[in-house]
Amino acid sequence: EAAVTQSPRNKVAVTGGKVTLSCNQTNNHNNMYWYRQDTGHGLRLIHYSYGAGSTEKGDIPDGYKASRPSQENFSLILELATPSQTSVYFCASGVRDRGSSYEQYFGPGTRLTVL
Amino acid sequence: GDSVTQTEGLVTLTKGLPVMLNCTYQTTYSPFLFWYVQHLNEAPKLLLKSSTDNKRTEHQGFYATLHKSSSSFHLQKSSVQLSDSALYFCALSENTGNYKYVFGAGTRLKVIA
Repeated sequence: EAAVTQSPRNKVAVTGGKVTLSCNQTNNHNNMYWYRQDTGHGLRLIHYSYGAGSTEKGDIPDGYKASRPSQENFSLILELATPSQTSVYFCASGVRDRGSSYEQYFGPGTRLTVL
Repeated sequence: GDSVTQTEGLVTLTKGLPVMLNCTYQTTYSPFLFWYVQHLNEAPKLLLKSSTDNKRTEHQGFYATLHKSSSSFHLQKSSVQLSDSALYFCALSENTGNYKYVFGAGTRLKVIA
């Protein structure tokens, strides 16, 4: 099974501060994703990437930037954190299986609180 | 755009009873449908997937059938256990090379003794 790790696992930030969430995957998957999870909204896509050097906007990109410096690493950056960005953030990597469906493997999540 | 609807926010059942969690979707493309399960403080994990119309797919006692005529992919189990208590997400992916998922809001299943 794909191994996706995230750091930090918990983070408390102040309003207006910069926050960087890191994700690493060791299975050579081309695609990586950042989601946030909020009660009643499920998982919402913030940014994703098709490979090193690429980033694409997801469904809710405002207030977030992403960086994919290598195949293994994908970061989510909050330049000016706001309390509305308090959430649980999940990173995922994706691979196409033999049946042509696209499976995503999730990291353990980062709980971010912005005060 | 694509969408996934899960109508129940919380389902509470006594162990041993059957369960059905609803999932309907909207897309103009040929879909892949997925069910993910998330136990408390853990990552979501793939439970089931399908792109074949009217074919039942099963895993770990759970099963679902994709019905394109009704745009549904309901998750079922004949006898729930305490360990099935978790958050269940239905997700949709287009079979177009677009690698994004659209998730439903999730249904929390609580199994009581």
